[in-house]
Amino acid sequence: QKEVEQNSGPLSVPEGAIASLNCTYSDRGSQSFFWYRQYSGKSPELIMSIYSNGDQEDGRFTAQLNKASQYVSLLIRDSQPSDSATYLCAVNGGTSGTYKYIFGTGTRLKVLA
Amino acid sequence: SAVISQKPSRDICQRGTSLTIQCQVDSQVTMMFWYRQQPGQSLTLIATANQGSEATYESGFVIDKFPISRPNLTFSTLTVSNMSPEDSSIYLCSVERQSTDTQYFGPGTRLTVL
Repeated sequence: QKEVEQNSGPLSVPEGAIASLNCTYSDRGSQSFFWYRQYSGKSPELIMSIYSNGDQEDGRFTAQLNKASQYVSLLIRDSQPSDSATYLCAVNGGTSGTYKYIFGTGTRLKVLA
Repeated sequence: SAVISQKPSRDICQRGTSLTIQCQVDSQVTMMFWYRQQPGQSLTLIATANQGSEATYESGFVIDKFPISRPNLTFSTLTVSNMSPEDSSIYLCSVERQSTDTQYFGPGTRLTVL
């Protein structure tokens, strides 16, 4: 079983719709959770971090964490073509150590104009 | 966040040669990391660059192949030694400040080995 799993996609959504990206993780002791956006040919850019169960909102982005079910999701409201990118889920802490990130393989999002 | 630069941004190298990649941060950071991202893949941690001591390597990565230096709190180098085409990848450094657990990535170095 992979430590951090994401659907590779592509996930296609029309412009203006809500894009929902999901991530599951295997280490129940994980403490910190991150979403990065990576445009083709560029390095990952931090979008959101979340540490507690529930929702955390930042502009058009909402991160959701459910530690009991071991999943974290990212919602993008009013999706724009500029949101088209690969979204990487990263998990920190747990038995791997407090500083070590484990990355998922990423979900490719395509927002159709 | 932090301003992170990497040099070179890209390079094309011959098999058997070595390349040193530099990572410079605009302020002191506690942790510096080196990752590899192979084409179409996610990020894999190579090692943690420790200031003033030997780097901590992840399983599958060894010092002879990927020697790392970190002479101070703002600078680190990664050398890819005795390169083969399988080393063609993007190499990324990331940094983490003290008392946070958030990593920020440099722009990356795209390496092609012929």
